[in-house]
Amino acid sequence: AQSVTQLGSHVSVSEGALVLLRCNYSSSVPPYLFWYVQYPNQGLQLLLKYTSAATLVKGINGFEAEFKKSETSFHLTKPSAHMSDAAEYFCAVSDIGGNTPLVFGKGTRLSVIA
Amino acid sequence: DAGITQSPRHKVTETGTPVTLRCHQTENHRYMYWYRQDPGHGLRLIHYSYGVKDTDKGEVSDGYSVSRSKTEDFLLTLESATSSQTSVYFCAISRGSGANVLTFGAGSRLTVL
Repeated sequence: AQSVTQLGSHVSVSEGALVLLRCNYSSSVPPYLFWYVQYPNQGLQLLLKYTSAATLVKGINGFEAEFKKSETSFHLTKPSAHMSDAAEYFCAVSDIGGNTPLVFGKGTRLSVIA
Repeated sequence: DAGITQSPRHKVTETGTPVTLRCHQTENHRYMYWYRQDPGHGLRLIHYSYGVKDTDKGEVSDGYSVSRSKTEDFLLTLESATSSQTSVYFCAISRGSGANVLTFGAGSRLTVL
């Protein structure tokens, strides 16, 4: 079965610093990969997705992620953190093709310090 | 979120009572999902539906049942609620073809006393 592991349940960065949230997947075949963001008391919103096209994927709000098959990773980055980036971030995986349900990681809470 | 309505948004109930959560969509999508969110566990799939009267179990389906009698509504029922089912429940629909991009509702917070 597909699974993802998010390293670090809580990450804290200073405003203006690099954001790096880690996600590793387990699959013998490169899957589809997603990053979602959840702001307090809201549902989840799609940040970006990898669907076997370009390995560097750009998303909303200045975030991007790079698919690395050799490392089975899909880490999320942003060059300069903003206070509004404080939220919980979820990595998710699904099989290629069809509407296979997404499997989510446990989430990483990002705090941004002024 | 746009096109998805969950009700009720908040509910407090007692152990042993039945509870039904409703997810309503206005966009006629075939696939609908129920997830629960708990601290330290992320989101876990309860049940999903791939059409009217077509449903399947997810990772944490024990104690839950679902029904989909029409495209726009997907109901999640706890036949006899337990304290371990205290959680935030999210409904999602699948909008895209190919990659399964989900759009989530605002969530239903359930407390079982």
